[in-house]
Amino acid sequence: NAGVTQTPKFRVLKTGQSMTLLCAQDMNHEYMYWYRQDPGMGLRLIHYSVGEGTTAKGEVPDGYNVSRLKKQNFLLGLESAAPSQTSVYFCASSYPSGVTSYNEQFFGPGTRLTVL
Amino acid sequence: DAKTTQPPSMDCAEGRAANLPCNHSTISGNEYVYWYRQIHSQGPQYIIHGLKNNETNEMASLIITEDRKSSTLILPHATLRDTAVYYCIVRVAGSSNTGKLIFGQGTTLQVKP
Repeated sequence: NAGVTQTPKFRVLKTGQSMTLLCAQDMNHEYMYWYRQDPGMGLRLIHYSVGEGTTAKGEVPDGYNVSRLKKQNFLLGLESAAPSQTSVYFCASSYPSGVTSYNEQFFGPGTRLTVL
Repeated sequence: DAKTTQPPSMDCAEGRAANLPCNHSTISGNEYVYWYRQIHSQGPQYIIHGLKNNETNEMASLIITEDRKSSTLILPHATLRDTAVYYCIVRVAGSSNTGKLIFGQGTTLQVKP
């Protein structure tokens, strides 16, 4: 049981290049999330998904696109990378929470992205 | 979701209890208090959550004041491996909630030998 995995672990891009970050989970979770974390800051939600084929915007969605074609995968795309997107990107997944219950989010190890 | 206030940093001696405070004076009746921690460079890890009763699990205890305007996370016997950033998060639970977490800057706990 690998939990939440992220690919790649590190990447350096030039301004204007594109790339896709892959998040995979093997826990059959419905919900998946992409966060970014800048130095000395807390995590900020970029996009999230409550099920296969559905996505929604978080706090800081500009410059990113996402897709959830399969339940176990959540892809984060940067179409034209900018230096302001230099950050650590974390993916997370969870079951839906009930009215009186809470299902924790499980986080991946992160992808460290530098845009020059 | 209610805003939280935490001290930016705290120290604790190894083996002693670590008490991390969180202020959430604008919390509403249906909002829970959640704690996550982030050990250096890793993804955050869930610790505990509660609504109004005190809660305890294998990792920590959560004490919520009677008026629910503040809470304290207690690590009963802190070890060096508990050195991390601790995030207090307040939000609504329930099936209509999408599970989004809003992280502040948290408290950096340094456990010293």
